[in-house]
Amino acid sequence: QVQLVESGGGVVQPGRSLRLSCVASGFSFSNYGMHWVRQTPGKGLEWVAVIWYDGSGKYYSDSVKGRFTISRDNSKDTLYLDMNSLRAEDAAVYYCARDRGTAMVSGYYFDYWGQGTPVTVSS
Amino acid sequence: EIVLTQSPGTVSLSPGERATLSCRASQSVSSSYLAWYQQRPGQGPRLLIFAASSRATGIPDRFSGSGSGTDFTLTISRLEPEDFAVYYCQQYGSSPITFGQGTRVEIK
Repeated sequence: QVQLVESGGGVVQPGRSLRLSCVASGFSFSNYGMHWVRQTPGKGLEWVAVIWYDGSGKYYSDSVKGRFTISRDNSKDTLYLDMNSLRAEDAAVYYCARDRGTAMVSGYYFDYWGQGTPVTVSS
Repeated sequence: EIVLTQSPGTVSLSPGERATLSCRASQSVSSSYLAWYQQRPGQGPRLLIFAASSRATGIPDRFSGSGSGTDFTLTISRLEPEDFAVYYCQQYGSSPITFGQGTRVEIK
């Protein structure tokens, strides 16, 4: 069955960096676009970034553009999110989620999600 | 940006009862590109419905979606114990994609 397992979350000071990972199993990872979506009690669910199935296309929400980088290693079935210049408002549970297809067509919805990894930004 | 407003915020029902959850959009959702998710405590969301009324793989037929334009509904025909959770709608017809704030279905 499809499984997505995130890791890498933790407590980090404002302005510092963190790398999240998501290991996929149970499907052909290289055939699917992948996303990061975050959730906070206050703002709810917020889409963060997408990467096409082959890594050739990457798009970000305005709130993280220029600070976060999404990447993938299809040989390792792993998705990454490099988060730099972290702010208090980046604190959230971060989920990786599978696109219903390659993600080359905008209009994203997510057919499988991981269990999430929490990120706390605090001095 | 399309704002999705879900109602009610919380609904208290008993197992076996019918649940009707609403999702209203601030503008028309293109091509009925609306999805519904279920989230249980400590878990990531689970896709239930896409394209307003199509059930995702493995979703029981007690879950159904309807609506178009700005008004959408998720119906759970007979609540099972595992259905008590939070439900979110999401539109993917316009960029940026957006989510509703959720409806909690709790045991009465």
